[in-house]
Amino acid sequence: GAVVSQHPSWVICKSGTSVKIECRSLDFQATTMFWYRQFPKQSLMLMATSNEGSKATYEQGVEKDKFLINHASLTLSTLTVTSAHPEDSSFYICSAPHGQGRFEAFFGQGTRLTVV
Amino acid sequence: GDSVTQMEGPVTLSEEAFLTINCTYTATGYPSLFWYVQYPGEGLQLLLKATKADDKGSNKGFEATYRKETTSFHLEKGSVQVSDSAVYFCALLNYGGSQGNLIFGKGTKLSVKP
Repeated sequence: GAVVSQHPSWVICKSGTSVKIECRSLDFQATTMFWYRQFPKQSLMLMATSNEGSKATYEQGVEKDKFLINHASLTLSTLTVTSAHPEDSSFYICSAPHGQGRFEAFFGQGTRLTVV
Repeated sequence: GDSVTQMEGPVTLSEEAFLTINCTYTATGYPSLFWYVQYPGEGLQLLLKATKADDKGSNKGFEATYRKETTSFHLEKGSVQVSDSAVYFCALLNYGGSQGNLIFGKGTKLSVKP
């Protein structure tokens, strides 16, 4: 199947700093990528839809100035957590739809962010 | 809005036991249904899917049947192995305006003991 690579797999940062997470589709082009956040013992919640060549679409309640998304090319989307706080600590995971009908989503490995 | 409800875990079974993880959904129209699996330290992988009522998805000994009358998509396996230990997510995709965004259940952690 298609491969989506996410980097880094884990990161620890200090409060107030910014962290960039990359999501790459390795063997297909993705005009759309999705960013999810997973809290402990919770489901994956969609944060935003990343669109190549245009602005991201954020879900209600997600601060677009805090979670900056850039879809620079057909194979790369980045999520930057700006001025991180401990409450931003979470598991972030990206996905890209691919295949006939685009009804299958391929996921990156996820990024464990810890803000201290 | 659309939603997915799956049984809470963790579920602990002995090797070769029978597995059922319940999943029910609420959606308008005719969504596609999926089970994803997340092994420790890895991303999500598609386990199986069903795109219309009465379809049965199957993979690696796991099965799930799309039951529209009960709005369910329960995951089953006749004989689990230690290597099946993972977190399992039920998900739906509703085609109305969607481009591949999945709505997930909370996940069920399965631990299989030798």
